[in-house]
Amino acid sequence: SAVISQKPSRDICQRGTSLTIQCQVDSQVTMMFWYRQQPGQSLTLIATANQGSEATYESGFVIDKFPISRPNLTFSTLTVSNMSPEDSSIYLCSVELLSDLFSNGYTFGSGTRLTVV
Amino acid sequence: DQQVKQNSPSLSVQEGRISILNCDYTNSMFDYFLWYKKYPAEGPTFLISISSIKDKNEDGRFTVFLNKSAKHLSLHIVPSQPGDSAVYFCAASAAGSSNTGKLIFGQGTTLQVKP
Repeated sequence: SAVISQKPSRDICQRGTSLTIQCQVDSQVTMMFWYRQQPGQSLTLIATANQGSEATYESGFVIDKFPISRPNLTFSTLTVSNMSPEDSSIYLCSVELLSDLFSNGYTFGSGTRLTVV
Repeated sequence: DQQVKQNSPSLSVQEGRISILNCDYTNSMFDYFLWYKKYPAEGPTFLISISSIKDKNEDGRFTVFLNKSAKHLSLHIVPSQPGDSAVYFCAASAAGSSNTGKLIFGQGTTLQVKP
């Protein structure tokens, strides 16, 4: 089965800095998504990472704060820019694997636990 | 506005008994519902799903029931095992290309199965 590698798994960052999170899949996928889970909250979709074009952001999320790259069908990055303590969350990438097409259940990476101090 | 709600933050059951996790939703456009399980330091793992055209879907020890009129779904685990101890998320999606991949999650319910 396909493997999703998300890096880093965790980080502690200073406010005002930026962190880039990587999501690598060992097979080509059409759909890649970025989610955020704030402490005690549910997972919230940030954006859909589109290959070859700009990401599609959900309400409340903007490109300047969360720039996303999708250079090919196996890789995407999410940058959390100009961080503040409120950005402390778990960030997860999600993909639609071929095996998911039968269940409509998207597969998630292991997440990046970000703490901003 | 929380469109998907899991009102019980935690649930504790004895091994071998039934675990029932509940989920309510408000958006009548949702037509697909999923349950995910999440262990600490791991991403959510897909468990089982149900389409709105069905009222029940079963997979081994896991059964999901959907009551569309009540906008309510539940996940039954029987018999419960200690390895089932995890956070369970209910998620929903609506039809349409603009909604592809867009899952709306509940807040999660932490299940503890005691030996």
